[in-house]
Amino acid sequence: QSVLTQPPSASGTPGQRVTIPCSGSTSNIGRNSVSWYHQLPGTAPKLLFYSDDQRPSGVPDRFSASKSGTSASLAISGLQSEDEGEYYCASWDDSLNGAVFGGGTQLTVL
Amino acid sequence: QVHLVESGGGVVQPGRSLRLSCAASGFTFKNYGMHWVRQAPGKGLVWVASLSYDGRKKYYADSVKGRITISRDNSDNTMFLQMNSLRIDDTALYYCARGLQGVRVTSFDIWGQGTQVTVSS
Repeated sequence: QSVLTQPPSASGTPGQRVTIPCSGSTSNIGRNSVSWYHQLPGTAPKLLFYSDDQRPSGVPDRFSASKSGTSASLAISGLQSEDEGEYYCASWDDSLNGAVFGGGTQLTVL
Repeated sequence: QVHLVESGGGVVQPGRSLRLSCAASGFTFKNYGMHWVRQAPGKGLVWVASLSYDGRKKYYADSVKGRITISRDNSDNTMFLQMNSLRIDDTALYYCARGLQGVRVTSFDIWGQGTQVTVSS
């Protein structure tokens, strides 16, 4: 059971917009920044967003992220087949005094 | 090129020890907090431990506290994870990652390829 809650799966067709939610609490998302990662099978995770909505260079602007209260979300517009894979949210938890990840959301492009 | 390369994984019996290393190159290692994250086969990412840029602040997941020690050698651009009293459920691919914004922030911007730890009798 992960501290941050994500749906196990999401899907969309090419060109569609998909949103992946991440739910936390006041000890993590409610008071600390959120980051998002994309992982393809057999490869290391890649940072997509940090500080809630900051996109590292190289991440397409089709991707956006936001946070409100104790929840965060990742949105992907103009869905492409290369967007498939596992997406994780993460934050620091002040009660646990450690980092926490969501359980991951497997995105399928139909 | 910024790189992190993990090593030291292997197959060990329960109760034994392993020391993982993470060699950094292409950036000023001593300026960054560093982290270990693991992933069991077919499972999600799980944070293990974090270390401040100067090695003074250490943070551990409850599941490894008391059995694992994180450390670094800034003169050699290397981070370590000493793992003792290994358990079956420590079996995972262990990644080291650089912290873009310090130690108590989950902005892990550079990742290694991982080193496999298998605990089995």
